[in-house]
Amino acid sequence: SAVISQKPSRDICQRGTSLTIQCQVDSQVTMMFWYRQQPGQSLTLIATANQGSEATYESGFVIDKFPISRPNLTFSTLTVSNLSPEDSSIYLCSAGQVSPGSPEAFFGQGTRLTVV
Amino acid sequence: DAKTTQPPSMDCAEGRAANLPCNHSTISGNEYVYWYRQIHSQGPQYIIHGLKNNETNEMASLIITEDRKSSTLILPHATLRDTAVYYCIVRVDYNAGNMLTFGGGTRLMVKP
Repeated sequence: SAVISQKPSRDICQRGTSLTIQCQVDSQVTMMFWYRQQPGQSLTLIATANQGSEATYESGFVIDKFPISRPNLTFSTLTVSNLSPEDSSIYLCSAGQVSPGSPEAFFGQGTRLTVV
Repeated sequence: DAKTTQPPSMDCAEGRAANLPCNHSTISGNEYVYWYRQIHSQGPQYIIHGLKNNETNEMASLIITEDRKSSTLILPHATLRDTAVYYCIVRVDYNAGNMLTFGGGTRLMVKP
């Protein structure tokens, strides 16, 4: 299994500013992902965080708005830039392939962002 | 990945079995059925997965119809802590990093 820690757990930010969310996994994992969960909605994949290279973004998400870093196999950050009230959501980090062939994806507790 | 259809909400009495249905009529032969749940204010949690045989673990049982077009997640003795949103997900290859596409899910309310 894997334990995923996200920081901060919640934040209130002014519009126009940025928030960087950290994701730490307690073991080396092959795959890390970032999801967004808008109020009352399901989860939507933002991007795959690739170690040592640029993240792979899903349709509708761009690097300028959601820059992602992954310097090693246990850590990733997501920045939400130029914040607007529409960015108010829960952002979740996920780790996959914790062990070869492992069917489970593990999730952090999420970061609740409110933009005012 | 194939699309899934789930009822938006269900109620279940505490101590009774909760049976959560999922339709995946366009599922392909190499696609697995996964179930996750999300308890309020937490990240999703893996429950169980299967290809074509019924599966059981310490959390739940998964019943997949013979034609694989639908499945049912069974929580044998639901407790109040099982109140959550349950997601049925179909995906091609569970070795592909476990990137997940979430649908609307079923909001299960377990009542005393």
